[in-house]
Formats: sequence, structure tokens, C-alpha cells
Amino acid sequence: EVQLVESGGGLVQPGKSLRLSCAASGFTFSTYWMSWVRQAPGKGLEWVANIKQDGSEKYYVDSVKGRFTISRDNAKNSLYLQMNSLRAEDTAVYYCARSIVATFLGVGWGQGTLVTVSS
Amino acid sequence: DIQMTQSPSTLSASVGDRVTITCRASQSISSWLAWYQQKPGKAPKLLIYKASGLESGVPSRFSGSGSGTEFTLTISSLQPDDFATYYCQQYNSYSGTFGQGTKVEIK
Repeated sequence: EVQLVESGGGLVQPGKSLRLSCAASGFTFSTYWMSWVRQAPGKGLEWVANIKQDGSEKYYVDSVKGRFTISRDNAKNSLYLQMNSLRAEDTAVYYCARSIVATFLGVGWGQGTLVTVSS
Repeated sequence: DIQMTQSPSTLSASVGDRVTITCRASQSISSWLAWYQQKPGKAPKLLIYKASGLESGVPSRFSGSGSGTEFTLTISSLQPDDFATYYCQQYNSYSGTFGQGTKVEIK
């Protein structure tokens, strides 16, 4: 059974940084593209970033380019999202998701971790 | 960027009703369209991939159709467990754009 468990969310001030983690189990992590998707309170879903199996390709939504960095450690079956220069509009539940294509098709999602950016 | 527009935003229906949700893409995405179901406080769940492919374990009352820019999700006979929000999502390009969602409510 695919299991994805996010951690690292919390309350952070604008301009500060936060690192999210996602621990994967139940599948061969190193063979899948992985993604982050977020959902602002009461709003819809927004794809944030994708990373290739070996980490050699990464893609981001325009609103986070230059501020967020997606990475992975296949030896630890873990996915990360380093978020810098956080803004109020980054407040959301962040989901880790397994993708079966490069352009994101979410087959397997974590339960999400809430990031709140506020002073 | 490709924009995805769903209609309606909210839909009121009764158990047993046939329900149809429409999703339009701002440019052709061939059949690279997925549908997800999301319940309050839960992660999304994939229902349909490649416009009409039924994800394993998803009841056959769910079906998808369309290609190019116009797509539909149909629930043939609405069940109590189906009251939720539904999102379409294109995966033709790396932006992975979602529609704004359609909330299916109890009439």
C-alpha cells in the first residue's frame, strides 16, 4: 500500500523559510516522479513542483520559482520542499503526491501538512 | 499556461440522480485529462485518467469522456458516498493545472 507522510508544516513569519518532508513507503520510491500540490484554505488545488526519479529534472509553478526548491533522497525514500521568502499567499495545506507521468498525474497522496504564513 | 474551467461550481442533486460535470481547457490537451474526488479534510483521490480511463478500485458508475478542449465526468447514479468536490486536471504540460472544482451537494 502506498503511504506518503508529510511533516514540517507550521506557523512561520513572512520572509522566513520552512522545509517540508515527505516519507514514502509501500512502493519503489526511486522509480516515480514525485510532486508537491497545495491547497489554500477553502480554495482549489494548485500543483507546485515536480521532480524526476533521479532528481535531474525539476519543474515549478511560476509563483514559487526562485523561492521554492524540490529535492529527494532516494536512499531515504524521502521528498522535500525547501520554501524560502515565504508570503501570506503561500498559506496552504501542502500535499506530497506520487506521479506516474512527468507532467503530474497524482496516484497516491499524503494527508497533507498545513503551512501558515503570518506575522 | 493552460487554463481549466469547470462548470457548474456547485451542483445540488439527490441520491440516484445522473450527474454531469464539464471541464474546458483553454487549448487542446488531447486526452491528457484527469478527474479527482476530494472530501473535506482529505487528500484528493484519482478517479479518471486519460479522459476516460477508470482508476483501479473506482466504482463503474463514474465515467469520463471528451478530448481536445471539452471533457465531462458523469456519475450514473449518485450514491451517498459521492457527495464531495470534484476537480479536473490537465497533464498535457508541466503546469499540471486544475479546474476550480465542482462541489456536489445533497439536494
